[in-house]
Amino acid sequence: DQQVKQNSPSLSVQEGRISILNCDYTNSMFDYFLWYKKYPAEGPTFLISISSIKDKNEDGRFTVFLNKSAKHLSLHIVPSQPGDSAVYFCAASYSGTYKYIFGTGTRLKVLA
Amino acid sequence: DAEITQSPRHKITETGRQVTLACHQTWNHNNMFWYRQDLGHGLRLIHYSYGVHDTNKGEVSDGYSVSRSNTEDLPLTLESAASSQTSVYFCASSDYRAEQFFGPGTRLTVL
Repeated sequence: DQQVKQNSPSLSVQEGRISILNCDYTNSMFDYFLWYKKYPAEGPTFLISISSIKDKNEDGRFTVFLNKSAKHLSLHIVPSQPGDSAVYFCAASYSGTYKYIFGTGTRLKVLA
Repeated sequence: DAEITQSPRHKITETGRQVTLACHQTWNHNNMFWYRQDLGHGLRLIHYSYGVHDTNKGEVSDGYSVSRSNTEDLPLTLESAASSQTSVYFCASSDYRAEQFFGPGTRLTVL
């Protein structure tokens, strides 16, 4: 049973436009979420996090939105750049544990 | 600079052999994790440790084992390698519930 789902395996966006990556979860106990970026032949690198006490967190071009009632979070990248082309993973955790459940990833391609 | 390293980066082995993948971190993190990445499955947790002598099973632990004798290292052992264990393996470490720092990965092929 996949508790964290990224239903879009891939996404293509024109350079300069907004990229929106989506993530859905099923476990209402999840209260902390992370987004990671992964380039080929490298390990994932942390991008941005959000706690369930917030509904939005921004860091430069990256904003994460959390809709607890819908059990949905999204990562917005504005403006998108060719260097953003990578696989993006969302991950979720609940209180009392330090481990995360990862989604299956979305491959983003930003077209120049 | 603190870092997390994995070795080897690439490994080819035969079915039935025992294989050990190394993970070493200099962050002084208590938490360490092993994941495998497969197409269509994302990152799946194999084993994890919250400190020295602590180990726990993740969602895909069958056929794998770990031991934690110090803070810096969490080696992953495949007791008897199977073709289904061909994958890319990532080690990660973290402090409390903070973000996890990942190693560069080990690509394992079991023939």
